[in-house]
Parts: sequence; C-alpha cells; structure tokens
Amino acid sequence: DAGVIQSPRHEVTEMGQEVTLRCKPISGHNSLFWYRQTMMRGLELLIYFNNNVPIDDSGMPEDRFSAKMPNASFSTLKIQPSEPRDSAVYFCASSSPGLAGNTGELFFGEGSRLTVL
Amino acid sequence: AQSVTQLDSQVPVFEEAPVELRCNYSSSVSVYLFWYVQYPNQGLQLLLKYLSGSTLVKGINGFEAEFNKSQTSFHLRKPSVHISDTAEYFCAVILSGNTGKLIFGQGTTLQVKP
Repeated sequence: DAGVIQSPRHEVTEMGQEVTLRCKPISGHNSLFWYRQTMMRGLELLIYFNNNVPIDDSGMPEDRFSAKMPNASFSTLKIQPSEPRDSAVYFCASSSPGLAGNTGELFFGEGSRLTVL
Repeated sequence: AQSVTQLDSQVPVFEEAPVELRCNYSSSVSVYLFWYVQYPNQGLQLLLKYLSGSTLVKGINGFEAEFNKSQTSFHLRKPSVHISDTAEYFCAVILSGNTGKLIFGQGTTLQVKP
C-alpha cells in the first residue's frame, strides 16, 4: 500500500527564497494535516483540511506560510520568503473519519527536512 | 481546551528491563487518547489508541497503556524492552467526535542501552 508521500525529503535553501513542500495523501482519506517539528517546539499543527477545505489554520505562523489542497490527492505548503527560523521537519498526515468523527488515527509521511541558511 | 503533558523528556533504560512512559492530559470533555512512535528519520506511526471500552489497551510491539480517568493519565508500558524500541514516543489527545485536531505532547525519548 502506498502511504503518505512527501517531497522533497530534504531541502536546503537560502533566506528569502520560496519553498514549496508537497504531499500526496493516502487514497480515500479525506482529512489532511500539516505539522512542523522542531527541537524547541516539538510537533505543531499548522493547518488541516477536510474534503479539501481548510478547517483550522490557526497554527500557521504568519503570512509567509500558505497551504493549498486543490484536489483530494495533492496538497502544498509554501513558505515565501523563507527565513532561518523556518528550518524544521515538516510532516504531512492524512486520515479517514469513522462513524463517530475523526478517531485521531493519522498516517504520516516521512517528512520534508527544510534547512534555510 | 485540551492539553497533553509528557512528564519525562528522556527515559534511559537497559535492554530487557520494564519501562513506563508517563502521559497526563487535561480536558473537560470526553477524549480519545493515543501513543505514537517515531523512529529516527521517519514519520510517526500509531502504537495504540483508546477510544472507549476496556481501559487497558494493547498495541504493537508488546506495548500497552492504561487509561485512568480519575487521574487523567494514559501511561505507556512495556514489560521488557529491546534495543529496537529506541525511539521518540508521543502521547496525543483528540476530542471524541471531533473532525480534526490531534494535540501532541512534547515527546519522550526512550533510550534502550545494551
């Protein structure tokens, strides 16, 4: 079975450049989540979508961050312009709600490690 | 709002010894509880979950956890650890019936020594 697929796995860029991270959720899953992981702040939920619609973006750090989900099989997280403090591992996860709503079982990709110099 | 506290940032233990990773949560409403494991350079994967029913839940790799409502705890245990259990472990909570937001604790690094 294909899991959640993220690209790129590693990205090194310079401050001020635009960064685009991509995610393909598991087929049939209708919820998609973007998390950021750092040593200092742990795992932070940035944004999540249900049925391609953004539900909660309160975790997005600032206007430099944006996320889209144009269809059920693809999402992007964009940072423009990037800054060194954006260096982190960005995870995408997907899930499928059960009869009682979301049961919290997320399937994670392997992450995109971003380094901004 | 709900929150999760993992009481230990690092837990060193010798191989074949028992281990307990502690997790406490706060919520005024019913929640679902989870433990996820993250091996080095990988994403998180579900270890076990409590949705309802028996308060003792068993997961993969010999792990189990007990939901204690009165103490608002969901501690993870394994009677005998292996080197391969070295990883970071995350406790997480979601409101039952919620359509999204899983809240994670800060994580506990389990270091199994030979």
